[in-house]
Amino acid sequence: NAGVTQTPKFQVLKTGQSMTLQCAQDMNHNSMYWYRQDPGMGLRLIYYSASEGTTDKGEVPNGYNVSRLNKREFSLRLESAAPSQTSVYFCASKRTSGGSYEQYFGPGTRLTVT
Amino acid sequence: AQSVTQLGSHVSVSEGALVLLRCNYSSSVPPYLFWYVQYPNQGLQLLLKYTSAATLVKGINGFEAEFKKSETSFHLTKPSAHMSDAAEYFCAVTENTGNQFYFGTGTSLTVIP
Repeated sequence: NAGVTQTPKFQVLKTGQSMTLQCAQDMNHNSMYWYRQDPGMGLRLIYYSASEGTTDKGEVPNGYNVSRLNKREFSLRLESAAPSQTSVYFCASKRTSGGSYEQYFGPGTRLTVT
Repeated sequence: AQSVTQLGSHVSVSEGALVLLRCNYSSSVPPYLFWYVQYPNQGLQLLLKYTSAATLVKGINGFEAEFKKSETSFHLTKPSAHMSDAAEYFCAVTENTGNQFYFGTGTSLTVIP
């Protein structure tokens, strides 16, 4: 049981390049999330998917797109990377039954845009 | 709208001393509240959660937090700090659908030997 996995762990991009961050969970959770973490700003929600087939914007969606490929996988795409997108990106998943509301986090992807 | 305020971005305590990390929330509906811990270069791990049951919540590693509606607070405490408690701590809030979570800016805890 790996929990939430993210690839890659590290990435350096040049301004204007594109890339996709991958996230997968093996806990059969319905909800999945993408956050970015910046110094002094905590975690901010980029997008979330409450269930397979649905996605919604969070607090800071500009410059990002997401795909809920199936129940296990939720990817985050940067179409044209900008230095302001240098950050640590975390994926999380959450069980929606039982009223737990606990999120399980992946280990993160450290992205640098030069 | 919901939000979380963590007072004190850096807290230092001596080993064996009381740990108190402050969290105040703003929510128009009954909230669900969480404390997470993050060790260097790792993801977040749940310490404890309040989901409208007992107001005093016990978590892992000897931490506990008390939900005080009148003060809109959910402060994290531990009676005796260990060196291994040095980490970043985040308070978070969500409403009853649990769709969107709002995190505080974090408190970095240093434990002095």
